[in-house]
Amino acid sequence: DIQMTQSPSSVSASVGDRVTITCRASQGISSWLAWYQQKPGKAPKLLIYAASSLQSGVPSRFSGSGSGTDFTLTISSLQPEDFATYYCQQANSFLALTFGGGTKVEIK
Amino acid sequence: QLQLQESGSGLVKPSQTLSLTCAVSGGSISSGGYSWSWIRQPPGKGLEWIGYIYHSGSTYYNPSLKSRVTISVDRSKNQFSLKLSSVTAADTAVYYCARWDDYGDYRSFDYWGQGTLVTVSS
Repeated sequence: DIQMTQSPSSVSASVGDRVTITCRASQGISSWLAWYQQKPGKAPKLLIYAASSLQSGVPSRFSGSGSGTDFTLTISSLQPEDFATYYCQQANSFLALTFGGGTKVEIK
Repeated sequence: QLQLQESGSGLVKPSQTLSLTCAVSGGSISSGGYSWSWIRQPPGKGLEWIGYIYHSGSTYYNPSLKSRVTISVDRSKNQFSLKLSSVTAADTAVYYCARWDDYGDYRSFDYWGQGTLVTVSS
């Protein structure tokens, strides 16, 4: 299986801050990476697919980049509704999909 | 707007079989290019893909669960189901159904159910 490692596991930030989350794959996955946002008690929501493509309806302050093994999710100016847990998910091996461990974005 | 809704038993005894159904509304489960998946999340932990039934009808399961999992589809009812046998406390989790979009570059879960908590306990 391809292992996905996210860092940090949690980050404290203020409204307006720029936040960057990293996801590393244990082997190359080209650009087959998605990012999800999950709020407490809710289902995950798709933010980014194919590493850098913004899902319809997602605010442009969210962006993704990377290819191969190293990827980032950036929130350019953190808003109150962005406090949540974020997960990456590799889609290279569709026979064994895997998620990262999650990054919790907390209020500073 | 596509909607997915999980249903099934919220309490299962150890060694028994967990059974859940996901009803799809606002679209056809037979639409080409989409697959239908189950994902779970133990309390306070991360997400784990269980498996999916591909638009071709083929099924693919997480290797760690493969021996215990069956995913099937009932196209007449526009729903798909999960069975997980020989459950233990480690299978206690919120179970989500989701649509896997395999068109072009998408390769992502674009629609999710709200999730249902299944507790394994005697």
